[in-house]
Amino acid sequence: ILMTQSPSSLSASVGDEVTITCQASRDIVNYLNWYQKKPGTAPKLLIHASSNLQIGVPGRFRGNGSGTDFTFTIASLQPEDFATYYCQHYDNLLSSTFGQGTALEMK
Amino acid sequence: EVQLVESGGGRVQPGGSLRLSCAASGFPFNAYWMSWVRQAPGKGLEWVANIEGDGSERYYLDSVRGRFTTSRDNAKSTLFLHMNSLRVEDTAVYYCARVFVWGSYGEHIYYDLWGQGTLVTVSS
Repeated sequence: ILMTQSPSSLSASVGDEVTITCQASRDIVNYLNWYQKKPGTAPKLLIHASSNLQIGVPGRFRGNGSGTDFTFTIASLQPEDFATYYCQHYDNLLSSTFGQGTALEMK
Repeated sequence: EVQLVESGGGRVQPGGSLRLSCAASGFPFNAYWMSWVRQAPGKGLEWVANIEGDGSERYYLDSVRGRFTTSRDNAKSTLFLHMNSLRVEDTAVYYCARVFVWGSYGEHIYYDLWGQGTLVTVSS
């Protein structure tokens, strides 16, 4: 299964709402997670199973979608949100595929 | 403290071998599947391997199958990645991650705990 994430980069300002999309080459139900990655640090889980907010993650992060089309939205960007975001499809425990990543930069 | 700490990275020539370790603490290590994920310089994240809690099931990325082997020593709460026949394209920061499995049939997973990563450089 191929995961196509877009855009590859995005410029925005504090307070903006931004949306990233991830498209699967075939139906993946809701087997999709979203992670945040900052340089020099480990990835951080934000959303699991398409729309479930991980414990401790602020409510401005939101995920949606099923089948082949998924969206990830950050409402009212905060300074600490500028990072790279990845979607991850998992085929149970057999394998996993990450999207290409979206670098969110400050305008 | 609940944490994962990787070690063992370094510089190696193409065709060489390296063993990475991931020391776990603060949770029942043998109760969890574990994963390896890597990130090449300037590139995205790439899943590498999974191993079941008792080590009986293992799954690999196609490009590393036959060259990499993941194993674990549950008595020492340590995960390993044995890497042989290394290629330039294996150069990356390697992370170990804890896998949380959930759902009515265990159909969902996510990585809820990560190590800090260890850099492997394959170069002549």
